[in-house]
Amino acid sequence: AQKVTQAQTEISVVEKEDVTLDCVYETRDTTYYLFWYKQPPSGELVFLIRRNSFDEQNEISGRYSWNFQKSTSSFNFTITASQVVDSAVYFCALSEGITGGGNKLTFGTGTQLKVEL
Amino acid sequence: GAVVSQHPSRVICKSGTSVKIECRSLDFQATTMFWYRQFPKQSLMLMATSNEGSKATYEQGVEKDKFLINHASLTLSTLTVTSAHPEDSSFYICSARWTSGNEQFFGPGTRLTVL
Repeated sequence: AQKVTQAQTEISVVEKEDVTLDCVYETRDTTYYLFWYKQPPSGELVFLIRRNSFDEQNEISGRYSWNFQKSTSSFNFTITASQVVDSAVYFCALSEGITGGGNKLTFGTGTQLKVEL
Repeated sequence: GAVVSQHPSRVICKSGTSVKIECRSLDFQATTMFWYRQFPKQSLMLMATSNEGSKATYEQGVEKDKFLINHASLTLSTLTVTSAHPEDSSFYICSARWTSGNEQFFGPGTRLTVL
């Protein structure tokens, strides 16, 4: 069975600090997809990234970067120079199978990020 | 493109009543839609997978007679919470998958409060 673990329940940082959100996953499939979503207080999920199991290349998008390491089954997310608007709950999720993330998602328990001035 | 809507966005009802939540894919056809539930300060948990024209597949522990799912067209799935009770109060989120199956898109969610 697939499982996603986000050990950090809540993280508080001061604006402009860098912060890394951890995600560890378990799956028996060789083909799978990993995701990060942001959930602001409004509740709507904001898609951040999708990564397939065959692509271990790290990715950077503005202040966001992701580190995927199959050897440790981790898919960590770093926000550089955090801002107050980054305050939200962040979820890591896993989808098994070859359909590019079109299968049901298993979510981690989420990490509440609070960025203070 | 790839917009999914939910209606209503928020609903308050009395215990014992039934509530219907709609999930629509506005600009694409969705063979499959997923229904998730999120209790306060908790993660999203899959309730059921809805396939157009066939019966939904429910996750273990989800009562299919209580949470009725209908996916009558390629752009609409409905979740009806029958005889709602306060413990059903939650945030319900749907997602819709393109017919090609390689990506899914989330709706904005429906917050249900049962008094």
